Amino acid sequence: AQSVAQPEDQVNVAEGNPLTVKCTYSVSGNPYLFWYVQYPNRGLQFLLKYITGDNLVKGSYGFEAEFNKSQTSFHLKKPSALVSDSALYFCAVRDDGGSQGNLIFGKGTKLSVKP
Amino acid sequence: KAGVTQTPRYLIKTRGQQVTLSCSPISGHRSVSWYQQTPGQGLQFLFEYFSETQRNKGNFPGRFSGRQFSNSRSEMNVSTLELGDSALYLCASSSRLAGGSYEQYFGPGTRLTVT
Repeated sequence: AQSVAQPEDQVNVAEGNPLTVKCTYSVSGNPYLFWYVQYPNRGLQFLLKYITGDNLVKGSYGFEAEFNKSQTSFHLKKPSALVSDSALYFCAVRDDGGSQGNLIFGKGTKLSVKP
Repeated sequence: KAGVTQTPRYLIKTRGQQVTLSCSPISGHRSVSWYQQTPGQGLQFLFEYFSETQRNKGNFPGRFSGRQFSNSRSEMNVSTLELGDSALYLCASSSRLAGGSYEQYFGPGTRLTVT
C-alpha cells in the first residue's frame, strides 16, 4: 500500500535562510509526487508535481523539490525564505502501480518564517 | 480568467439526508478532482474526472459519488449522510499545458455540516 510521511509537524526558519520541508513516500510502482500549500484564509494551492524526468522539479513562488528514488524522498526546498511563505505544506503521492489512482496526502508541515 | 467556483459555500444537513455539491472548473480545464478536508483525517482524495470519465478514485465508501458533464462541470453526491461527513469539500480543476507543464487550481470549498 502507498503511504507518505512528513516527519516534521513544524519547521521554523529565519527570513532569508534556505528552507527544507521533508517528505518520504512508499509505493509499489512508480510514484507521482505533489506538493501543495495552504495559506491562512487563502485556500489550497498546487506548488509542483513530479511524474518522471529531471529529479529537480521547479514550481510556483520559487519553490523546488528534489526526487530521490534511493531514499524515497521528495523534499521541498527554497533558497531564501520569505515571511509570506509561512503556511501549511502538504506532500502527496499517487502510485502508478495500482490503488485505483488514489492520492495519499501527508499530515502537513507548518512552516513559520520569522523576520 | 475566472477561478474555480463551488456551490454552495456552506451547507447544513441532517444525518440520513443526501447532498449534492457543484464545481465549475476554469475555462478550458477538462479535469476536475474532489477532496475532503477534516481536522481529524486531514486531506483525503475522493475522485478525479476527465472528459466525463472517472480517472482516479480514493478509498471512500460508495455513498460518495461524482460525475462530470460535457461542459466539464462536476458534481459530487453524498447519500445517507453521517456525522463524520462534516468537512470542507474542495474541488480542483487542472490541465496539462503546452510544453508539458501542468496547472491546477482549487476552489474555495464547500463547508458541509451534518447534524
